[in-house]
Amino acid sequence: TQLLEQSPQFLSIQEGENLTVYCNSSSVFSSLQWYRQEPGEGPVLLVTVVTGGEVKKLKRLTFQFGDARKDSSLHITAAQPGDTGLYLCAGDDSGGGADGLTFGKGTHLIIQP
Amino acid sequence: DAGVIQSPRHEVTEMGQEVTLRCKPISGHNSLFWYRQTMMRGLELLIYFNNNVPIDDSGMPEDRFSAKMPNASFSTLKIQPSEPRDSAVYFCASSLTPGGAQPQHFGDGTRLSIL
Repeated sequence: TQLLEQSPQFLSIQEGENLTVYCNSSSVFSSLQWYRQEPGEGPVLLVTVVTGGEVKKLKRLTFQFGDARKDSSLHITAAQPGDTGLYLCAGDDSGGGADGLTFGKGTHLIIQP
Repeated sequence: DAGVIQSPRHEVTEMGQEVTLRCKPISGHNSLFWYRQTMMRGLELLIYFNNNVPIDDSGMPEDRFSAKMPNASFSTLKIQPSEPRDSAVYFCASSLTPGGAQPQHFGDGTRLSIL
């Protein structure tokens, strides 16, 4: 089982600020997914990155997969209260095979109005 | 479209009792996953099924835990006997295939409290 470290664990910032959260591992992943989880609900997929160096944008969210496919970052521009939640990264090290995903413990993000 | 449906949403019971959690995956999805989430350990994969067959149960904590998938539209996770340390939120998720590039669709979870 591969280990995914997410940092920071907790982040509280003011509305309008920018932020970056990280997902790191010593292992290579075939693909990596980012999920957002709100209280009382299950995680919801935001994006999947597959290619080393890949950058994907989802409105004010920018996701990057490291060149070596061992790490990823999520950058939020002009954060809004609606961005509040638990951000989870999940890696697939199965090479497309039968293993499930390995999740990080997540970054708890609070955007204060 | 209906998402993954879990029941009950909340369960409070005394230690030693049997607990059964239920999950209905999204129709047409071939893979089903059971996870447990706690503050200390995060989201942990307990077991997953592909085409109703258990593929990897290495995350199941101990023999008190068992999971079944009798058909493509229903799965159960059973704890017998339950212990206070089993208190957590249990999630069921489904996907088209088990491959990591496929998105997993999660239910809203069952919050389990063992007194």
